[in-house]
This record gives sequence, structure tokens and C-alpha cells, in this order.
Amino acid sequence: GQNIDQPTEMTATEGAIVQINCTYQTSGFNGLFWYQQHAGEAPTFLSYNVLDGLEEKGRFSSFLSRSKGYSYLLLKELQMKDSASYLCAVLDSNYQLIWGAGTKLIIKP
Amino acid sequence: GAVVSQHPSWVICKSGTSVKIECRSLDFQATTMFWYRQFPKQSLMLMATSNEGSKATYEQGVEKDKFLINHASLTLSTLTVTSAHPEDSSFYICSASGVRDRSSYEQYFGPGTRLTVT
Repeated sequence: GQNIDQPTEMTATEGAIVQINCTYQTSGFNGLFWYQQHAGEAPTFLSYNVLDGLEEKGRFSSFLSRSKGYSYLLLKELQMKDSASYLCAVLDSNYQLIWGAGTKLIIKP
Repeated sequence: GAVVSQHPSWVICKSGTSVKIECRSLDFQATTMFWYRQFPKQSLMLMATSNEGSKATYEQGVEKDKFLINHASLTLSTLTVTSAHPEDSSFYICSASGVRDRSSYEQYFGPGTRLTVT
């Protein structure tokens, strides 16, 4: 079966760095997305990785290792507004998006 | 670019009535639209995938006769919840893909519709 695992909840301090991991087992791979979702709102796009390596975009970076079936989202200089759920999703061989359950990130002052 | 709108943003209806939710891609042609449902503190659950001009593909466990999906044009898809019941109360989110930038498979999400059935 297809499976995406990410931690249910994480807590971090304002100004710090946090890494949210995602491991996947899917039938084929055509890319991995990270989305941010604030409570009561729709998800918004953060990043897309299809090749191995690190993609940096401001305070957010995303890393992919296809051989390990592993990705992480790195958030630097955390701000209170970063409190949200972070969703990992993989495009499988049929170009269907397989969603993780999301990681709820709590930022404390 | 790649803006998706949903209407209404929230709706309250009585049990047994039907509710229609519209999803529009405002500045691009959406070849595929997706409908999700999300219960409180749970992840997105894909209900169905629709391609313009063809019948929607429903996920296992989703009643196609209860959740009617129409994707009549490249910019509009509708979800009709027929004979709604309180257990259908949820946050319904549509997304659309078809923009050819980083990935033509990136999904752009609408703002969601909160449905409450009394």
C-alpha cells in the first residue's frame, strides 16, 4: 500500500529552527510537495522537490532523498505566524497526490 | 496567478436539503479539479477527481449519488451535497491543477466551504 508518515505534532520556540520529517512508500514517485495549512483555512503551497537535494526559499527549505524515501521541511527564525499544520504529499506513478496526515507545529514565545 | 475561488465560503442548511458548492479557477484553465473534505483536526480526505467534460472519479467509500460533481468547463466545477445530514457537516475544499510551471500537477486550493447541516 501507499504510505506517508510524518509526526503528528511538534513544538518549537519563536526564533528557533525546526525540522519536520516525512517518509514515504508509494507506487512510483513524481515529486513531493509541502503545504502549509492554518486552522480553518485551505492549504497553501510551500515547496516542490523532484530531484535529490536541498531547495531553499527564504526562511523555509525542503530536502529530498529519493533513495531513502525521505524529505524534510526546515523552518528557520520561527515566527508565531508559523504555527500551522504542515502537509507532505507525494505524486505517485499515476500522478495522484498521496497526502500525509500533517504535522501540527506549535510555536511558543 | 493560479487563483481558485469557492462559493459560498460557509453555508448552513437543514437536514434533507441539497447544497451546491462552486469552485472556479480565475486566471487559468484547470484540466483537473479535486474535491476534498476535512473534519476538525483531521487531514484532507480526497473525495473525487474530475476532468473537464468527463465523469468524476470517486474515492472508495464516497457515495457518488450523494456527492454530485460536475466539471462542465475548464474553469468551473460544482459539488452538490444531496439530502444533507448532520454527519455531512465538514470543511469542503476544492483544488485545481493545470498550470504549467514547476509542475503541471501542483494543486492550487480554493479557500474552502464550511458546511453545517442542522
